Amino acid sequence: EPEVTQTPSHQVTQMGQEVILRCVPISNHLYFYWYRQILGQKVEFLVSFYNNEISEKSEIFDDQFSVERPDGSNFTLKIRSTKLEDSAMYFCARQAPNYGYTFGSGTRLTVV
Amino acid sequence: EDKVVQSPLSLVVHEGDTVTLNCSYEVTNFRSLLWYKQEKKAPTFLFMLTSSGIEKKSGRLSSILDKKELFSILNITATQTGDSAVYLCAPRYNNNDMRFGAGTRLTVKP
Repeated sequence: EPEVTQTPSHQVTQMGQEVILRCVPISNHLYFYWYRQILGQKVEFLVSFYNNEISEKSEIFDDQFSVERPDGSNFTLKIRSTKLEDSAMYFCARQAPNYGYTFGSGTRLTVV
Repeated sequence: EDKVVQSPLSLVVHEGDTVTLNCSYEVTNFRSLLWYKQEKKAPTFLFMLTSSGIEKKSGRLSSILDKKELFSILNITATQTGDSAVYLCAPRYNNNDMRFGAGTRLTVKP
């Protein structure tokens, strides 16, 4: 099964800066998801994206977050003004028809 | 409010032991339950369970779902050090969204 690629693998940013995390899933899939995992904590749902629109979002996904699929293949998560507590591992995932989700390798975001 | 509770939170065993990991859930619009293994980075898929009472097996791992009592178990027999990981269960909703439990951290000692 083809992998989901995320870039960068690690990003360090200053508090208050904007970051864009990228995910390159295989095209032709309609469902995409972003999850995050703060170090030592559980994997938390952020947002689901279906047919180029947000389908569901959690309370974590506030106005500082946005998702786009700007060119029909890349899938981005933008955090407008990062806070220290945004430091986490961010995973994108696509739906695989017979076995749930396939996760990307993750982007470790460190806000300093 | 939807809940996913995994137990135990952590478990230390020796190679060759058999372990049973538990997941109980209370969710609306339940569709299926998935188990994942997380080592260093992203969770990797183990099982998807949709029907009650049908055991799924993959090598030394097996899992079963009870939709009446709202729980699932993951069994690992003859554990190996490579089984050391966090095991996550995740109910999947009818809209395909998924929520994870906190996980069980399994440590297998040589």
